[in-house]
Amino acid sequence: QKEVEQNSGPLSVPEGAIASLNCTYSDRGSQSFFWYRQYSGKSPELIMFIYSNGDKEDGRFTAQLNKASQYVSLLIRDSQPSDSATYLCAVNGGTGGFKTIFGAGTRLFVKA
Amino acid sequence: GAVVSQHPSRVICKSGTSVKIECRSLDFQATTMFWYRQFPKQSLMLMATSNEGSKATYEQGVEKDKFLINHASLTLSTLTVTSAHPEDSSFYICSAWGGGSYNEQFFGPGTRLTVL
Repeated sequence: QKEVEQNSGPLSVPEGAIASLNCTYSDRGSQSFFWYRQYSGKSPELIMFIYSNGDKEDGRFTAQLNKASQYVSLLIRDSQPSDSATYLCAVNGGTGGFKTIFGAGTRLFVKA
Repeated sequence: GAVVSQHPSRVICKSGTSVKIECRSLDFQATTMFWYRQFPKQSLMLMATSNEGSKATYEQGVEKDKFLINHASLTLSTLTVTSAHPEDSSFYICSAWGGGSYNEQFFGPGTRLTVL
């Protein structure tokens, strides 16, 4: 079982729709959860992090965390073509200490 | 967020040469930096954790004698790919632990290495 699992996609949504990206993790002791966006040929960019159960909103982005289900998601409202990228889920803490474990990423394609 | 720079952004070299990549934290001190490698359409692969003033911790399968890491100051870590070969061609990305409470990492822009 991979430590951090994501659907590789591609996830295709029309412009203006809500894109929902999901991630599960195996280490129940994980404490911090991150979403990074990576455009093709570029390095990852931190979008959001969340550490407590529930929702955290920042502009068009909402991160959701459910530690009981070991599940974290990212919602992108009013999706734009510029949101087309690979989204990486990452977790930190637990048995890995401060080492951050990255998922393989989900490719998102927003159709104009 | 914190700013991390990398230099060079792109390098092309001949097989057998060594290449040094610099990673700098510009507006904060980074006691811990990380080096990743990413092949096309693949996920990030952590190569090593670089700690200021001590030896780097390498991930399983990463040759420490081939990928030399030096973290001599709180703002600079270097990765030297020694005797590079075509199979070392990849996108090398560093990140720095910004010291925040949640261990968020900030990535440099990456270095694309092509070994001919």
